[in-house]
Amino acid sequence: EAGVTQSPTHLIKTRGQQVTLRCSPISGHTSVYWYQQALGLGLQFLLWYDEGEERNRGNFPPRFSGRQFPNYSSELNVNALELEDSALYLCASDDRGRRTDTQYFGPGTRLTVL
Amino acid sequence: AQSVAQPEDQVNVAEGNPLTVKCTYSVSGNPYLFWYVQYPNRGLQFLLKYITGDNLVKGSYGFEAEFNKSQTSFHLKKPSALVSDSALYFCAVRAPRGYSTLTFGKGTMLLVSP
Repeated sequence: EAGVTQSPTHLIKTRGQQVTLRCSPISGHTSVYWYQQALGLGLQFLLWYDEGEERNRGNFPPRFSGRQFPNYSSELNVNALELEDSALYLCASDDRGRRTDTQYFGPGTRLTVL
Repeated sequence: AQSVAQPEDQVNVAEGNPLTVKCTYSVSGNPYLFWYVQYPNRGLQFLLKYITGDNLVKGSYGFEAEFNKSQTSFHLKKPSALVSDSALYFCAVRAPRGYSTLTFGKGTMLLVSP
């Protein structure tokens, strides 16, 4: 069974640009989560989508947004990129967003903002 | 608000010796607790979780963790460390109600020397 997949693997952008990251959950999973792992800041929760709806949002500015498609895949969009947006962006999925579910992570997208 | 503390940035242990990676948490209600491991330039891999029941939880790769409610701790352990266990370990907690999400500790780097 395929795991969570993310694309692209790496991305280099300049300040002020916009970027879109993509995630495909494990087959049968309806919930998708996005996390940011910046150097020295640990893993920070960004967004949670389930059945196409945004369920929760972390403490990030509105220029971080996303959506979930009918096939449960998801996109994370970041507008007006800033240097501090450089990080590994991780996507995770679980069955239905139940609190007891295990979240399974993809390999991440490494974003570098110059 | 929920939180996780991993008091050690790094743990050093010799191969064959037992290892412990510490984690304490703060959450309202009964917690759901998770351990993940991250190898360089990779996503997170699930190790084990505590939801309810036996306080000693066994997981992947010979790891186990003990839930201690009175001390609000969930330390990760392994009887005999391997060099290949060297990685970054994250403890995470999820509150038992609402649209709660995983809150991660800052991570502990485990270095196992030959």
